[in-house]
Amino acid sequence: GQNIDQPTEMTATEGAIVQINCTYQTSGFNGLFWYQQHAGEAPTFLSYNVLDGLEEKGRFSSFLSRSKGYSYLLLKELQMKDSASYLCAVRSGNTPLVFGKGTRLSVIA
Amino acid sequence: DGGITQSPKYLFRKEGQNVTLSCEQNLNHDAMYWYRQDPGQGLRLIYYSQIVNDFQKGDIAEGYSVSREKKESFPLTVTSAQKNPTAFYLCAIGVPGGDTQYFGPGTRLTVL
Repeated sequence: GQNIDQPTEMTATEGAIVQINCTYQTSGFNGLFWYQQHAGEAPTFLSYNVLDGLEEKGRFSSFLSRSKGYSYLLLKELQMKDSASYLCAVRSGNTPLVFGKGTRLSVIA
Repeated sequence: DGGITQSPKYLFRKEGQNVTLSCEQNLNHDAMYWYRQDPGQGLRLIYYSQIVNDFQKGDIAEGYSVSREKKESFPLTVTSAQKNPTAFYLCAIGVPGGDTQYFGPGTRLTVL
């Protein structure tokens, strides 16, 4: 089976930088995904990492270390609209994604 | 995401009734998925289908049934055997080359 851990809640200040961590244990690792989910809405895709390193996409970046079973999502220049849940998901082999429970981020003024 | 529709957005049913949730896509993708989301539980996989006329159980398939008679459609039936059916139901498609999943808007089912 798979085990995916991420913090339950985080709070950060508007304009700041926040890092949301995700650790996982799995065999046959085949990709790590980050999704954003606003309250009451469906998740939207943010990023995909399958090789070690940093993937940058505007204000959002995602990092992966396969040897450590570790990823983080970095959000820069935080805006109030970034208040949402952030879901980490892992794929093993050809099986469907397994999702963590999500990290609820609150951005305060 | 665009091209994936779920209707209705909100659905109310009486306990003991079966209810079918629709999921339609016009993106021509083979893989489709059904997830359930409860507060504090994250997304849990109910059923998935990687090709027409074939589907597999996910982690919490008991009390649910699906069909995949057409590529565009993957309806989910919540049967009376499902003990706690009230939840947010999300349908997704998988894009080849990594299986990035894109979600429909979801249906919030409340069983009274």
